[in-house]
Amino acid sequence: AQKVTQAQTEISVVEKEDVTLDCVYETRDTTYYLFWYKQPPSGELVFLIRRNSFDEQNEISGRYSWNFQKSTSSFNFTITASQVVDSAVYFCALSEHGSGNTGKLIFGQGTTLQVKP
Amino acid sequence: KAGVTQTPRYLIKTRGQQVTLSCSPISGHRSVSWYQQTPGQGLQFLFEYFSETQRNKGNFPGRFSGRQFSNSRSEMNVSTLELGDSALYLCASSLLPVSGNTIYFGEGSWLTVV
Repeated sequence: AQKVTQAQTEISVVEKEDVTLDCVYETRDTTYYLFWYKQPPSGELVFLIRRNSFDEQNEISGRYSWNFQKSTSSFNFTITASQVVDSAVYFCALSEHGSGNTGKLIFGQGTTLQVKP
Repeated sequence: KAGVTQTPRYLIKTRGQQVTLSCSPISGHRSVSWYQQTPGQGLQFLFEYFSETQRNKGNFPGRFSGRQFSNSRSEMNVSTLELGDSALYLCASSLLPVSGNTIYFGEGSWLTVV
């Protein structure tokens, strides 16, 4: 069965601290895609990154980095030198290639990140 | 270019009424999907449309329906509203309804049922 687990419900850090948001997924597909989205209070889900199951290279984009490990079915997200503007709810999501092959996303429960000044 | 646009942004309805929410996808995107977000259930997939056809449907009662027009714009309808339908309804678009396509979301429609 497909499932995404974000065990951290809420995280609070002080500005400039590094913070890692955990994401563990379950799927029987060999081809799948993982995503991270940011949701500020306005409600819009802002796309951050997409990674396919065949690409285990870690990725860095400015202060953001992602660590994909198939061996542990994890796709963790690290924010370096956090800023107040990073405060939001972050969602990890899974899209399976499998039968039906649609764009349906399965989301984790989200992690609320609060960055204090 | 313009993102996914949803209207209305906020609305309050009474139990038993029906509601229609609208979504305009990013220009060139032909796939539109809808998600419901509640504090208890999180983000749940409602349905997905492509070429005016529903391609996939989540586990929601028949009171939830949708459609897509020839210009890719989409609407979703909820009939006989219940208190539990209070939620943020998010519309998303992508180029094609294919796994792995990046899906972009709108700001959502906040529905309150009283």
